Amino acid sequence: EVQLVESGGGLVQPGGSLRLSCAASGFMFSSNWMSWVRQAPGKGLEWVANIQQDGSEKYYVDSVKGRFTISRDNAKNSLYVQMNSLRAEDTAVYYCARGGRTTDYWGQGTLVTVSS
Amino acid sequence: QLVLTQSPSASASLGASVKLTCTLSSGHSSNAIAWHQQQPEKGPRYLMNLNSDGSHTKGDGIPDRFSGSSSGAERYLIISSLQSEDEADYYCQTWGTGMGVFGGGTKLTVL
Repeated sequence: EVQLVESGGGLVQPGGSLRLSCAASGFMFSSNWMSWVRQAPGKGLEWVANIQQDGSEKYYVDSVKGRFTISRDNAKNSLYVQMNSLRAEDTAVYYCARGGRTTDYWGQGTLVTVSS
Repeated sequence: QLVLTQSPSASASLGASVKLTCTLSSGHSSNAIAWHQQQPEKGPRYLMNLNSDGSHTKGDGIPDRFSGSSSGAERYLIISSLQSEDEADYYCQTWGTGMGVFGGGTKLTVL
């Protein structure tokens, strides 16, 4: 059974940093693109970033370029996103998802709240 | 610019059928898309991948009541024999030059 479990969310002040993790199991993690998708309160889904199987290709939505960094550790079956210079508009539930073009499995999400 | 357009809301009666539409922006009419369902207070669930020729591949455990079709730049999600648990938000998703994009979502109400 495919499982994606996010962790690392919480309350952070504007300008602060947070690192989210996603533990993957039940499939060959190293053979799959992976993505982060977020959902602000009461809003729709927004694709954030994705990363190729070996980490050599990465793409970001414009609003997070230069502030967020996606990475992975295939030995640990784990996906990460380092979020710096956080803003109030980054407040959202962050989902880890399998796939880079379209996503066929989703985690349960972790809430990030940026507020003073 | 790659944009997916969805109607904000739709409604249909219990036991009836409904057809939700996702429209690809100009120049992207050959893109495949994915459909996702998000029930209230839950995370998204992948429903299917849908190609421009209407062929589709459903996710694990997705009932036969869910199907897809395509016409030009439009991609459809058809749900038959509507049940109360089908009341949810439905999102389409595609990609361009490595980056993903979602439609704004359609909130389906089952009457």
